[in-house]
Amino acid sequence: RKEVEQDPGPFNVPEGATVAFNCTYSNSASQSFFWYRQDCRKEPKLLMSVYSSGNEDGRFTAQLNRASQYISLLIRDSKLSDSATYLCVVGTGTASKLTFGTGTRLQVTL
Amino acid sequence: GAVVSQHPSRVICKSGTSVKIECRSLDFQATTMFWYRQFPKQSLMLMATSNEGSKATYEQGVEKDKFLINHASLTLSTLTVTSAHPEDSSFYICSARDLDRGTNYGYTFGSGTRLTVV
Repeated sequence: RKEVEQDPGPFNVPEGATVAFNCTYSNSASQSFFWYRQDCRKEPKLLMSVYSSGNEDGRFTAQLNRASQYISLLIRDSKLSDSATYLCVVGTGTASKLTFGTGTRLQVTL
Repeated sequence: GAVVSQHPSRVICKSGTSVKIECRSLDFQATTMFWYRQFPKQSLMLMATSNEGSKATYEQGVEKDKFLINHASLTLSTLTVTSAHPEDSSFYICSARDLDRGTNYGYTFGSGTRLTVV
């Protein structure tokens, strides 16, 4: 079983749609959780940290369920510019070693 | 803030030569930096953790004699791919975290180095 699992997609959605991504992680000792965005042939960029209480940043909402070891990302009112690969990332250990999911590809179309 | 600069962005080298990649934290000090490798359509895989003033910690399966890491200052880590072969062709990315921002801030990544060995 992979340490961090994501549906690779692709998710093809029209502009304005709401789309949700899910991620599960296997290490119950994981301490930090993030969603990163990676555009083609570019470095990952932090989209948002994820907290148990849930957090929202504009059109993006992230949720963490520690009991189920499950992380989600909701994107509302999708824009063309949201097209990218979304990486679920989990940090473990004192040095917070990061483990990446393989990413979920999103393609927003007109 | 929390900018990580990585150079070169792209390099093509001949088989058997060595390539050095630099990673600098521009506006913060990084006692720890991380080196990743990403093959096409795959996830980032951690290669090693670079520790300032001490030896790097390598992940299982990563040859420390092939991928030399030096972290001589709080703002600079280098990765040298020695005797490169075509199978080493990949996207190499470094990252670091500004601890002054808190552990939940996340990591900042360099822009990556696309290495092609011919």
